[in-house]
Amino acid sequence: GAGVSQTPSNKVTEKGKYVELRCDPISGHTALYWYRQSLGQGPEFLIYFQGTGAADDSGLPNDRFFAVRPEGSVSTLKIQRTERGDSAVYLCASSPGGPDNYNEQFFGPGTRLTVL
Amino acid sequence: QQPVQSPQAVILREGEDAVINCSSSKALYSVHWYRQKHGEAPVFLMILLKGGEQKGHEKISASFNEKKQQSSLYLTASQLSYSGTYFCGTEGDSNYQLIWGAGTKLIIKP
Repeated sequence: GAGVSQTPSNKVTEKGKYVELRCDPISGHTALYWYRQSLGQGPEFLIYFQGTGAADDSGLPNDRFFAVRPEGSVSTLKIQRTERGDSAVYLCASSPGGPDNYNEQFFGPGTRLTVL
Repeated sequence: QQPVQSPQAVILREGEDAVINCSSSKALYSVHWYRQKHGEAPVFLMILLKGGEQKGHEKISASFNEKKQQSSLYLTASQLSYSGTYFCGTEGDSNYQLIWGAGTKLIIKP
């Protein structure tokens, strides 16, 4: 079956520009996570959605970062006024959700963002 | 707070065993283990929950010491395909947010 997909796979932008990163979770998964991963580091939590709502956005580094999931499926991570420090691989993961779920997360291949 | 993984890296010959440790300073609800190969997404290996439940692949074993907030991943009779970086993710009472360790790089040589 189809896994988590992310587009684009690579994004190169200039400092100060706006970017959008898209995540298509596994069909039926209610939980969706965004992470950021720098070279040689583990994923860093950004935001978690349960359905359409952001259950926890405490990992977003500042107000330049915003994410939506309007219909409870596809999610978009939006970054305004990009800075060189935003360069990283942005990972999306989805999970079935629900009380019997072990919170096993299925990751997408990531979007590599490079801010010049 | 980020869990501490040890060792940072390990090199094995095919067929040898390895143990990777993950330690947290906070009380844990669960510990998750994932493997990531270079340029690829992390792949689920194992979840261990407070109380003893666990879910994972048959060839992977792990332990979770709730009192010490520590988990260990056991890789036996290693194969070349085991190479990669192993991450533990710890979950507090929030029941959804994972805090990830810095990873343990495992290299398997023929």
